[in-house]
Amino acid sequence: AQKVTQAQTEISVVEKEDVTLDCVYETRDTTYYLFWYKQPPSGELVFLIRRNSFDEQNEISGRYSWNFQKSTSSFNFTITASQVVDSAVYFCALLNTGNQFYFGTGTSLTVIP
Amino acid sequence: GAVVSQHPSWVICKSGTSVKIECRSLDFQATTMFWYRQFPKQSLMLMATSNEGSKATYEQGVEKDKFLINHASLTLSTLTVTSAHPEDSSFYICSARDRARSPNTEAFFGQGTRLTVV
Repeated sequence: AQKVTQAQTEISVVEKEDVTLDCVYETRDTTYYLFWYKQPPSGELVFLIRRNSFDEQNEISGRYSWNFQKSTSSFNFTITASQVVDSAVYFCALLNTGNQFYFGTGTSLTVIP
Repeated sequence: GAVVSQHPSWVICKSGTSVKIECRSLDFQATTMFWYRQFPKQSLMLMATSNEGSKATYEQGVEKDKFLINHASLTLSTLTVTSAHPEDSSFYICSARDRARSPNTEAFFGQGTRLTVV
């Protein structure tokens, strides 16, 4: 069974604080992909990152960084020096070998100015 | 990057009428498109997978006669909500995979359609 868990439903931080969004996944597939998407109030899903199951290197892109740990089945997302424009709902998702997406329930991030 | 355009962005319709939502891949060909439904403050739930030139595959619990999906070309899929009722009010999002990309794993999402049935 495939499952993606985002335990944090809502997070509020003050601008310039760092924030980490947690994502834990379950799958029996050995090959899979993990994604993070941002959904601002306008509704569209903005692709942030894709990671395949064989690449555990952490990645940094500007203020965003991702920590992928297969040992704990986690793919956490950190925003450093958060900004008001980061306020959105963030979804973690898993793509299995059957080419199906499984989305987490999302974490609503509010950055307070 | 690949662009998926969804139209309309929002629609209000009367109960009992039908509504068509279009999903277009603007700069790539998509053999497969996906339709999701999202209720307020909830996650995306896959409704159906649409393959060009063949019948859509519906997820369990999704009424195929109510949610008609047509994927007549490599760049267009449509979702028609037939005889809409207030409980069909939701946010509908489509996504498409670029057949030319390898590995073919990224899904590009449309901007969504907010349907309100009154």
